[in-house]
Amino acid sequence: GIQVEQSPPDLILQEGANSTLRCNFSDSVNNLQWFHQNPWGQLINLFYIPSGTKQNGRLSATTVATERYSLLYISSSQTTDSGVYFCAVGRNTGKLIFGQGTTLQVKP
Amino acid sequence: DSGVTQTPKHLITATGQRVTLRCSPRSGDLSVYWYQQSLDQGLQFLIQYYNGEERAKGNILERFSAQQFPDLHSELNLSSLELGDSALYFCASSVGGGDTQYFGPGTRLTVL
Repeated sequence: GIQVEQSPPDLILQEGANSTLRCNFSDSVNNLQWFHQNPWGQLINLFYIPSGTKQNGRLSATTVATERYSLLYISSSQTTDSGVYFCAVGRNTGKLIFGQGTTLQVKP
Repeated sequence: DSGVTQTPKHLITATGQRVTLRCSPRSGDLSVYWYQQSLDQGLQFLIQYYNGEERAKGNILERFSAQQFPDLHSELNLSSLELGDSALYFCASSVGGGDTQYFGPGTRLTVL
């Protein structure tokens, strides 16, 4: 099956800093989504981005499908950005395969 | 609020018992997905239904079963529960079969 690797596994930032999270996947996909799991456990969809670049406020994402990776950029981080960021991929069905996540802690 | 509802929020039960988790998708969404999140396995896909029909299956145990009803709500049935079934169970929904998935708040199952 498709393997999904996220890096780094853990990240600690000061408020206001920028960061880049990476997601590598082992095979071609036509579905890629980024999620944020907040400290209360809620999974929030950030981007549906099987290819190209999207931006939403301080967050942006880029997927280079031909090279099998995606990047999530967080600018001017805030304490509310803390939590776990998951990349999930799929092919031909709605089944999503999740990476192990990047745990982000933003300190005030 | 994603628009996906799950009940109950918490469930504590004993080994060998059977429980039913319920999910109502967002209005207009035809696909429902079930995922299990545990510390050792991470987030794992269990099963997908689309407009009442099973569409995709993951590593779902034989002790687990699901269905989607005509009103599009879904239920996940877990039987002969074991300690290792303790986890957070998420339901998600989407319009079709391969687009943005919206997750419910989850049901935290504890098997004692």
